[in-house]
Amino acid sequence: ELKVEQNPLFLSMQEGKNYTIYCNYSTTSDRLYWYRQDPGKSLESLFVLLSNGAVKQEGRLMASLDTKARLSTLHITAAVHDLSATYFCAVDSPGGSNYQLIWGAGTKLIIKP
Amino acid sequence: EAQVTQNPRYLITVTGKKLTVTCSQNMNHEYMSWYRQDPGLGLRQIYYSMNVEVTDKGDVPEGYKVSRKEKRNFPLILESPSPNQTSLYFCASSSSLAWETQYFGPGTRLLVL
Repeated sequence: ELKVEQNPLFLSMQEGKNYTIYCNYSTTSDRLYWYRQDPGKSLESLFVLLSNGAVKQEGRLMASLDTKARLSTLHITAAVHDLSATYFCAVDSPGGSNYQLIWGAGTKLIIKP
Repeated sequence: EAQVTQNPRYLITVTGKKLTVTCSQNMNHEYMSWYRQDPGLGLRQIYYSMNVEVTDKGDVPEGYKVSRKEKRNFPLILESPSPNQTSLYFCASSSSLAWETQYFGPGTRLLVL
């Protein structure tokens, strides 16, 4: 059974600092997704990572994928308050259809001014 | 504007009273899915549909039904709601392209008394 674990589950940090959120998954998977959810809002797609070594960047966020280690990271550079949100990673379920996703529990990120 | 809509956004009901949450997308997407979100558990997939008349169970299908008679609509039916179905529900849609992400609706907050 595929399991997806995120670390940490809660992170409080100061503006201007760098930090990394980790997403580990237990079995081989072809794709990994990162989503953002603002409080009381829906989910917004951040990145889709399709292959080993994939790296994508958008503003102060950078995501990478190591399929051999079954690990994805979401790195935050020089955090700003607007990045406060809950971040989820999700992985394709192996052996299932293309669109069965298993989700991590989410990382709640609070960035203090 | 490309979007996924859900109705109602908020619903309070009583145990056993059948209800339907509607979901509609205007992007001609083949794939649609229903999730529930509970604190600390991330998102869990209830049902998904690969196309019209093609549906399959996700991780937590018990107590739910779906139908896909038209490509744009994917209603979620609770035949006999129970308090453990109190949750935040999201509908999502996606094209069949491997690199595409999912687009989420605004969510439906359900309270079953």
